[in-house]
Amino acid sequence: KAGVTQTPRYLIKTRGQQVTLSCSPISGHRSVSWYQQTPGQGLQFLFEYFSETQRNKGNFPGRFSGRQFSNSRSEMNVSTLELGDSALYLCASRLGGDQPQHFGDGTRLSIL
Amino acid sequence: EDQVTQSPEALRLQEGESSSLNCSYTVSGLRGLFWYRQDPGKGPEFLFTLYSAGEEKEKERLKATLTKKESFLHITAPKPEDSATYLCAVQANQAGTALIFGKGTTLSVSS
Repeated sequence: KAGVTQTPRYLIKTRGQQVTLSCSPISGHRSVSWYQQTPGQGLQFLFEYFSETQRNKGNFPGRFSGRQFSNSRSEMNVSTLELGDSALYLCASRLGGDQPQHFGDGTRLSIL
Repeated sequence: EDQVTQSPEALRLQEGESSSLNCSYTVSGLRGLFWYRQDPGKGPEFLFTLYSAGEEKEKERLKATLTKKESFLHITAPKPEDSATYLCAVQANQAGTALIFGKGTTLSVSS
């Protein structure tokens, strides 16, 4: 059974640019969540989508946004990149409810 | 405020030397506690879910337990391949569907 797939694996951008990250969930999973992982803050929740609707949102600025498509695939966009946005961005999917979330291997974003 | 604290931050063991990792939490109504393993350059890999105090789950050399304030991940006779960062996360009523993670325990097992 295929796991969560994230593309690209690595990205290098400069300050002020914008970036879009992609996530394909496990087949049959309709819930997709995004997390940011940094050495200082650990894993922090960004947002969750279910059936193309944002269901929950973490404490991040509006520069961070996302969307989900009818096939449950999701994208995350970060505009006006800042140095502090350098992080590993992880996508997770689950069947729903209180079921465990299953993570992809992330996109490593570096801002120069 | 919902909070998860893991200890120790780092743990070095000899192969075969059993030990326990701690995850203490303060949340507004626990809906579930999750243990993950993360290897360098990889995403977290799901290990266990615990939903109520007194619950226990086992998988190979790992056993997770849950009380009303904390969870333990017991590692029996570890092997070098058990070396990884172990993450604890909770799902709480106030946070809805979001997972709140601890900072993790980095385990190194030497032969």
